[in-house]
Amino acid sequence: QKEVEQNSGPLSVPEGAIASLNCTYSDRGSQSFFWYRQYSGKSPELIMFIYSNGDKEDGRFTAQLNKASQYVSLLIRDSQPSDSATYLCAVDKLIFGTGTRLQVFP
Amino acid sequence: DTGVSQDPRHKITKRGQNVTFRCDPISEHNRLYWYRQTLGQGPEFLTYFQNEAQLEKSRLLSDRFSAERPKGSFSTLEIQRTEQGDSAMYLCANSQQGFAGELFFGEGSRLTVL
Repeated sequence: QKEVEQNSGPLSVPEGAIASLNCTYSDRGSQSFFWYRQYSGKSPELIMFIYSNGDKEDGRFTAQLNKASQYVSLLIRDSQPSDSATYLCAVDKLIFGTGTRLQVFP
Repeated sequence: DTGVSQDPRHKITKRGQNVTFRCDPISEHNRLYWYRQTLGQGPEFLTYFQNEAQLEKSRLLSDRFSAERPKGSFSTLEIQRTEQGDSAMYLCANSQQGFAGELFFGEGSRLTVL
């Protein structure tokens, strides 16, 4: 069983819509959760981190964590074509999921 | 530019040859990681150093792979007797001790094994 699972996508949303990206993890003892963005041909860069149950907002991005369900999500409001990238979920010892490719079309 | 540099950026080699990659980290970041990434996959953890000490190594890592970080500065990743399955992007990343979650990645070293 994979430790971190994501739908590979692509997830296609129109410009201005909310993009919802989801991630589940297998280790119930996981404590810290991260979302990285990776543009094609580039290295990953950190967008958000969350440690506690609930929501954490930063600009257009909101991370949501539900430890009971072992589920973490990333919402991107007012999606822009420049948000088109692969979004990687990572936990604790920085074990990454396979990533979800997001496409935002004008 | 994250301040993490990797060399070489591209390496093409024949099966069976040895290759070595180098990572020069951000000087004040004492944690250094090596990952491998193939197309359509997330980065796969290989190994991790805190200063010069190698604290963790993936159990999936073949003994053909070895990493060093002498004096806690730059790091090298060597792959011996390369196989075609070793073809991938090898990423080096740094983090600060106080906040282990934010990784600063280098541009990566792409390996092609013919």
